[in-house]
Amino acid sequence: DTGVSQDPRHKITKRGQNVTFRCDPISEHNRLYWYRQTLGQGPEFLTYFQNEAQLEKSRLLSDRFSAERPKGSFSTLEIQRTEQGDSAMYLCASSRTSSEQYFGPGTRLTVT
Amino acid sequence: AQSVAQPEDQVNVAEGNPLTVKCTYSVSGNPYLFWYVQYPNRGLQFLLKYITGDNLVKGSYGFEAEFNKSQTSFHLKKPSALVSDSALYFCAVRDPVLGSNYQLIWGAGTKLIIKP
Repeated sequence: DTGVSQDPRHKITKRGQNVTFRCDPISEHNRLYWYRQTLGQGPEFLTYFQNEAQLEKSRLLSDRFSAERPKGSFSTLEIQRTEQGDSAMYLCASSRTSSEQYFGPGTRLTVT
Repeated sequence: AQSVAQPEDQVNVAEGNPLTVKCTYSVSGNPYLFWYVQYPNRGLQFLLKYITGDNLVKGSYGFEAEFNKSQTSFHLKKPSALVSDSALYFCAVRDPVLGSNYQLIWGAGTKLIIKP
């Protein structure tokens, strides 16, 4: 399978704990995006990488959220001191150009 | 302001009938338009896009969409619906003038239900 992969698919954590998600983009794609999606809503942009550079971070993203893409390949999204409001589906997408984005299956986070 | 509207929360269609899922947009320049589909507990799958050229674009699974500049619409269509088309459909737009060169503006989604 050469699509976008995300790990884990599901994560249940207690409030206050830190969590980290991984995204492996399609190999020839230099652009990588993180989104958050809640039930019944469209994706909400979080951040964008071109190669290893993080070029944009949504102002909706609090300082508890951080993302990295150290070698321009896979990316990680960390949430520190999780809150119940962080419960959502976290989606990763990649693209080769500024055209269509290809999405992974998502990581569903539940904060109890 | 840049925006995307999907005016119907849900569309119900009988199997075999044609379907239309509506999308209208507001951007300042010539938009880049996209349709994605999301099946339960799955990520979004790209269906089709309009960048330039022929106003009628064809995509995956027999779907097509028509770009109408005067009505600022990009409705998704299929001549004959299948039960397996039941899913959540999202319209998205990129504003090449005011928007970033990567950030998409998303509609709220339309749930499509195809009844046997």
